[in-house]
Amino acid sequence: DTGVSQNPRHKITKRGQNVTFRCDPISEHNRLYWYRQTLGQGPEFLTYFQNEAQLEKSRLLSDRFSAERPKGSFSTLEIQRTEQGDSAMYLCASRPLGTSGETYLRTDTQYFGPGTRLTVL
Amino acid sequence: ELKVEQNPLFLSMQEGKNYTIYCNYSTTSDRLYWYRQDPGKSLESLFVLLSNGAVKQEGRLMASLDTKARLSTLHITAAVHDLSATYFCAVPSGKLIFGQGTELSVKP
Repeated sequence: DTGVSQNPRHKITKRGQNVTFRCDPISEHNRLYWYRQTLGQGPEFLTYFQNEAQLEKSRLLSDRFSAERPKGSFSTLEIQRTEQGDSAMYLCASRPLGTSGETYLRTDTQYFGPGTRLTVL
Repeated sequence: ELKVEQNPLFLSMQEGKNYTIYCNYSTTSDRLYWYRQDPGKSLESLFVLLSNGAVKQEGRLMASLDTKARLSTLHITAAVHDLSATYFCAVPSGKLIFGQGTELSVKP
């Protein structure tokens, strides 16, 4: 399967613990996004990468949250000192980006992974 | 700040009926996306609308975009139970800004 994959799919942790999630994007997709979705709401943007560069972070991303994409392939999202309010579905998405010299294809649909459901007790 | 609003938020339909979901957004955009989400699952891309007046159809779903009115519609024709899901519209602003979602329930 060549879709976006995320691990783990479910994580239950106690308040105050640290957790780390992994996202493997579709191969050759330059851009990788993290979103958070709580029950009954649409996904909210957290951060995104173009290759290994983190280009934007939301105000939602407090200093307890950190994300990396060290080699421009997979990404990790770490939450330190988890709080009950962190309980949510964490979604990763990826999309390609046209390079200079090519016809810019408006194929900028973001493809989402299955998500990691975090429960903080 | 870009805001995206959908209505209705909840929609209970009978099989065979038609209905329309509306998506309004607050700033200029020439593109809009529709996604479907089944309970406990991730988001599946339905439509990409790339210009003013764009219309896309897939089965019983048809989406359109009016960039001047900052409005997109998702029309459901002769609903069937399999269409029960939550539908999101999203507008690009670097990242995607999503509406609140419309939870559709199609009953026999």
